[in-house]
Amino acid sequence: DIQMTQSPSTLSASVGDRVTITCRASQSISSWLAWYQQKPGKAPKLLIYKASSLESGVPSRFSGSGSGTEFTLTISSLQPDDFATYYCQQYYFYITFGPGTTVAI
Amino acid sequence: QITLKESGPALVRPTQTLTLTCSFSGFSLNTAGVGVGWIRQPPGKALEWLALIHWDDDKRYTPSLKTRLTITKDTSKNQVVLTMTNMDPVDTATYYCAHSDNNYVFRWFDTWGQGTLVTVSS
Repeated sequence: DIQMTQSPSTLSASVGDRVTITCRASQSISSWLAWYQQKPGKAPKLLIYKASSLESGVPSRFSGSGSGTEFTLTISSLQPDDFATYYCQQYYFYITFGPGTTVAI
Repeated sequence: QITLKESGPALVRPTQTLTLTCSFSGFSLNTAGVGVGWIRQPPGKALEWLALIHWDDDKRYTPSLKTRLTITKDTSKNQVVLTMTNMDPVDTATYYCAHSDNNYVFRWFDTWGQGTLVTVSS
């Protein structure tokens, strides 16, 4: 199994902050990584796929980078709508999600 | 516009079999590269992928639950059905179905249903 970890588990930030979330895989997954945003009571929303490709309609303040075992999701200037939980997902071998990072005020 | 909606029982007794239906519109599972997956999320916990069916009827399951899961498709009805046997209270979760058209064996999901909460309790 490929295990995914995320850090931090919770992040306190303010509007306008630059925010970075890290996702690590237990083995190399090349660039086979996606990022999702989830708000309470809602389904996840795809933000990034192939580690750095921005999904259509997603604001450009979201960006992804990394390859191999370490990846980052960056929000360049945090907006009120961005307070949510973020999950990474590998699809290199089977599918596993990270434990999530909650971005709170 | 792609939409998906999950349906099924809200309450299941322990040891029973759960049957969930994903009804979708805006795409066809006859189209090359398309897939539909099931993902669940226990209350307050992380997402867990369960199963995936491809346009060509290739099926993939998460190894830890493989013996309990069956995924099928009915392209004439635009539906995907997931069955999970021997339900246990730890299977209490919101179950999501999701669309993918990126034509990889294992995929990311670009559109999700709203989810359906299934509680397992006697």
